[in-house]
Amino acid sequence: NAGVTQTPKFQVLKTGQSMTLQCAQDMNHEYMSWYRQDPGMGLRLIHYSVGAGITDQGEVPNGYNVSRSTTEDFPLRLLSAAPSQTSVYFCASSYSSSSYNEQFFGPGTRLTVL
Amino acid sequence: KNQVEQSPQSLIILEGKNCTLQCNYTVSPFSNLRWYKQDTGRGPVSLTIMTFSENTKSNGRYTATLDADTKQSSLHITASQLSDSASYICVVSARGGYQKVTFGTGTKLQVIP
Repeated sequence: NAGVTQTPKFQVLKTGQSMTLQCAQDMNHEYMSWYRQDPGMGLRLIHYSVGAGITDQGEVPNGYNVSRSTTEDFPLRLLSAAPSQTSVYFCASSYSSSSYNEQFFGPGTRLTVL
Repeated sequence: KNQVEQSPQSLIILEGKNCTLQCNYTVSPFSNLRWYKQDTGRGPVSLTIMTFSENTKSNGRYTATLDADTKQSSLHITASQLSDSASYICVVSARGGYQKVTFGTGTKLQVIP
């Protein structure tokens, strides 16, 4: 099992550009989520999905879009990148949305917006 | 607002020594508390999970404690190794699933030879 994979590992964008961060898991997990990690702050939830076709907003959803067409994939789209979106992005998956189930994290994507 | 505070922010210890990391939280209604280890450049990995009724949980050289009355938790690392160098993150879940999780900012531990 590869677990949770993310691509790319690093990305530099110019302000206003758009891009998609890829996330895939091979554990047949229903729950997937995206977080951002900024210096001096805890991870913050951007968007989450409880199953294919179902997504919802987390704590900091502005400027981001998600879709979940399959159980395996959960891409995160930046519509028009801003310097405030410079961060490390983590995708995670879990058997269900219950926090008693362990959440598995991907290796992260480090994004810099100039 | 739910909050999780960790101390110290950073810590340097000699290989073979023990250390204790602290976590104070104001999360309600409480569901569970996890400690994660995050190596540099990697995603967090769960070490332990504790519910309201659990006081202590061990995972090898890692021992977590929980005092639900005072809303405090600690992570004790015994006989530290160089591979323990990482950030340790306290994560507290309120009832309602992963949408109700609050992450601490972490304690950065460096173990030196």
